Amino acid sequence: ELVMTQSPATLSVSPGERATLSCRASQSINSKLAWYQQKPGQAPRLLIYGASSRPTDIPARFSGSGSGTEFTLTISSLQSEDFAVYYCQQYNNWPLTFGGGTKVEIK
Amino acid sequence: QVQLVESGGGVVQPGRSLRLSCAASGFSFRSFAMHWVRQAPGTGLEWVALVSYDGGNIYYADSVKGRFNISRDTSKNTLYLQMTSLRPEDTAVYYCARGSQELDYWGQGTLVSVSS
Repeated sequence: ELVMTQSPATLSVSPGERATLSCRASQSINSKLAWYQQKPGQAPRLLIYGASSRPTDIPARFSGSGSGTEFTLTISSLQSEDFAVYYCQQYNNWPLTFGGGTKVEIK
Repeated sequence: QVQLVESGGGVVQPGRSLRLSCAASGFSFRSFAMHWVRQAPGTGLEWVALVSYDGGNIYYADSVKGRFNISRDTSKNTLYLQMTSLRPEDTAVYYCARGSQELDYWGQGTLVSVSS
């Protein structure tokens, strides 16, 4: 099974600052990586797919990069509504696998 | 707009069965693969099962293989998850989600609690 490792587990950031979240795959997944945001009591929401593509309803402050085994989600200027848990997920291999999540909290 | 609404969750004893449903609307259900993903209390996301758009391809996580069955009824725009031989470790919120690769729409989830 392909293992996805996210770091850090918790990221403390002040509003307006940049947040950088990492995701590493145990083997190459090309660019078949998605990022999701989950707030308490809510379902996950797709933020990024194909490692760097953004659905039309996702704000431009969210960006993704990387390929192969190393990926990054960047939130350029954190807004109050961005404090949440973020998961990466690979869809290059079966079974689909998620990372353990990064919690972005207010500093 | 795309809507996915899960139902069928509840409290069940170990070893018993339960069937979850996911009613889809706002898109061409027959054109999309569908998934079940679960989240145990206070933990991360675990993919459970996939059924392809036409039902021809089905995949399961090892943790549920042989116990869970995913299916779809295109005439009812509904996705199902038949869960048998339930274990305490199956306790989770179960989400249905749409997508052939990334999961672009998710339902709000239904809670399954396996306890004696």
